[in-house]
Amino acid sequence: KAGVTQTPRYLIKTRGQQVTLSCSPISGHRSVSWYQQTPGQGLQFLFEYFSETQRNKGNFPGRFSGRQFSNSRSEMNVSTLELGDSALYLCASSLVSWGQGHGYTFGSGTRLTVV
Amino acid sequence: AQSVTQPDIHITVSEGASLELRCNYSYGATPYLFWYVQSPGQGLQLLLKYFSGDTLVQGIKGFEAEFKRSQSSFNLRKPSVHWSDAAEYFCAVPSKGFKTIFGAGTRLFVKA
Repeated sequence: KAGVTQTPRYLIKTRGQQVTLSCSPISGHRSVSWYQQTPGQGLQFLFEYFSETQRNKGNFPGRFSGRQFSNSRSEMNVSTLELGDSALYLCASSLVSWGQGHGYTFGSGTRLTVV
Repeated sequence: AQSVTQPDIHITVSEGASLELRCNYSYGATPYLFWYVQSPGQGLQLLLKYFSGDTLVQGIKGFEAEFKRSQSSFNLRKPSVHWSDAAEYFCAVPSKGFKTIFGAGTRLFVKA
């Protein structure tokens, strides 16, 4: 079956712009999580969604937002981009809540570069 | 609070040699524990997981890990490393709030 699909794979944006990233989880997976990965901070939790509800958000400013649709697809949005937002954004889906007992299946990520 | 420590930032191993990557966790109860691998420019792939039962867990690609409660460790091992194993490896533990805590990662270099 198809894996987790993230689009686009690469993005270059200018400071102050906004960006929307998309994630399609594995069919049947209802939990979608987002992580930001940077060399300095490692993997940082952004959000978790389950059945269209955001159940938790990590320690990120309000410029970071997201949502999940009825088909479990998820988007995240970053407004007013800053240079520090440059990172690999990873989407992970799980059959059950937060991967407990199963773990995540990750997408290949979206590499965002802010210039 | 749950935490995961990977003491080694990078490790170099000769092809064909054995490998052990260290992971220490802090968790209030019997933890769920995971190892993931990330190749350059890619997402993470689940190697193996522990949540109960046998303390020696077998995973994909010939990897195994041993859970030692007394040492709060969950070290990843492979008897014979292949050049294709060069990647970054992450130990992880689920945390409250529907999230997972990842270690900082250990980058594995394999020399011919």
